[in-house]
Amino acid sequence: GAVVSQHPSRVICKSGTSVKIECRSLDFQATTMFWYRQFPKKSLMLMATSNEGSKATYEQGVEKDKFLINHASLTLSTLTVTSAHPEDSSFYICSASPPGLAGVSAQYFGPGTRLTVT
Amino acid sequence: GDSVTQMEGPVTLSEEAFLTINCTYTATGYPSLFWYVQYPGEGLQLLLKATKADDKGSNKGFEATYRKETTSFHLEKGSVQVSDSAVYFCALSPLSSGGSNYKLTFGKGTLLTVNP
Repeated sequence: GAVVSQHPSRVICKSGTSVKIECRSLDFQATTMFWYRQFPKKSLMLMATSNEGSKATYEQGVEKDKFLINHASLTLSTLTVTSAHPEDSSFYICSASPPGLAGVSAQYFGPGTRLTVT
Repeated sequence: GDSVTQMEGPVTLSEEAFLTINCTYTATGYPSLFWYVQYPGEGLQLLLKATKADDKGSNKGFEATYRKETTSFHLEKGSVQVSDSAVYFCALSPLSSGGSNYKLTFGKGTLLTVNP
């Protein structure tokens, strides 16, 4: 089956630094990838839709300059949390949709990245 | 806006017990409904889905019926196993003609632990 990986699985950084999280589709090409954020005991919230070769589409309330998304190839999307603050600490999850498979059921999720900002 | 409410966990059951995890939703129109499962250390996996009223989704012994009159999509399994221990997420996606039909709105997740 389709596999999506994320790296790193856990990261601790100091306040004010930037952190990059990678999302890779290992055995398929993904024209669309999605980034979610999950707070403790709360729902996954869609942050942005990442489209290969074009700008990401951000959800309302998500700061574009804070959460930089780059989808430079059909197998890799990156999320960079810039000038991180403790309130950015969260669990970040990506998902990817293979081209040619329309619909939500075609989304494959990564295992998530736990970010802790000290 | 759209929202999903599912029962708070954690839920702890003995093997072969009956499982119900409640899920209700608020949405305009006729959304598609999903249950996702996340096993320890892994990503979310689609467990089952239903796209219209009265549809029943089923997979691996789990079932859920799309009830429009009660805006519910409760997850059930007649006899749980230790290997079913995981976090279960109820989710919906609105039906629309634009690109936004991929968007998922999730519930908070319910941790299920099944003891031998």
